[in-house]
Amino acid sequence: SYELTQPPSVSVSPGQTARITCSGDALPKQYAYWYQQKPGQAPVLVIYKDSERPSGIPERFSGSSSGTTVTLTISGVQAEDEADYYCQSADSSGTVFGGGTKLTVL
Amino acid sequence: QVTLKESGPVLVKPTETLTLTCTVSGFSLSNARMGVSWIRQPPGKALEWLAHIFSNDEKSYSTSLKSRLTISKDTSKSQVVLTMTNMDPVDTATYYCARIHPSRVGATIWFDYWGQGTLVTVSS
Repeated sequence: SYELTQPPSVSVSPGQTARITCSGDALPKQYAYWYQQKPGQAPVLVIYKDSERPSGIPERFSGSSSGTTVTLTISGVQAEDEADYYCQSADSSGTVFGGGTKLTVL
Repeated sequence: QVTLKESGPVLVKPTETLTLTCTVSGFSLSNARMGVSWIRQPPGKALEWLAHIFSNDEKSYSTSLKSRLTISKDTSKSQVVLTMTNMDPVDTATYYCARIHPSRVGATIWFDYWGQGTLVTVSS
């Protein structure tokens, strides 16, 4: 079955830039989406179609794509950005989520 | 204002069938391109997509769980129902329903609104 691979954890200090990657063979052909999930809460969409930002999402969140890897970048990380982040995409068999990355703000 | 709310049992026994209901408001399940998915998350683990249904009754299921899942909708009640047969303790999870963004691109769907989730525990 299709898999999206994320690093389990990323740590950054406040004000630095966090980069979270997601790798998958179908990503050159399919868009990727990113969700932020804080403890005890439902996920929230932060990036769609690789690099588009929904209204209400801060400008420090951005996305990019290169080959089989997509990247969520958070510039000027704030304490409130500490959360789990999931990428999501699809292949012919259906929708798939990555394993999630825990972002820790030191 | 778009909202989704999951309801169903908090505890089921192994081998039983789980029935979950997602009640939506702020949009109509009969509108073109509207769809709802079910997604689950075991405690401390990742999200897992289960199934979706669109306004035209197009359905899709997770390959690994397809034999156990049935998704349906009642447009008049603004509800989407998921049944999962032969429940096992490994199915213990928070179950979310989520609206599929109307502008899906080919096979790729994404989720713009989520319910709060409902925790289902499978135990005897």
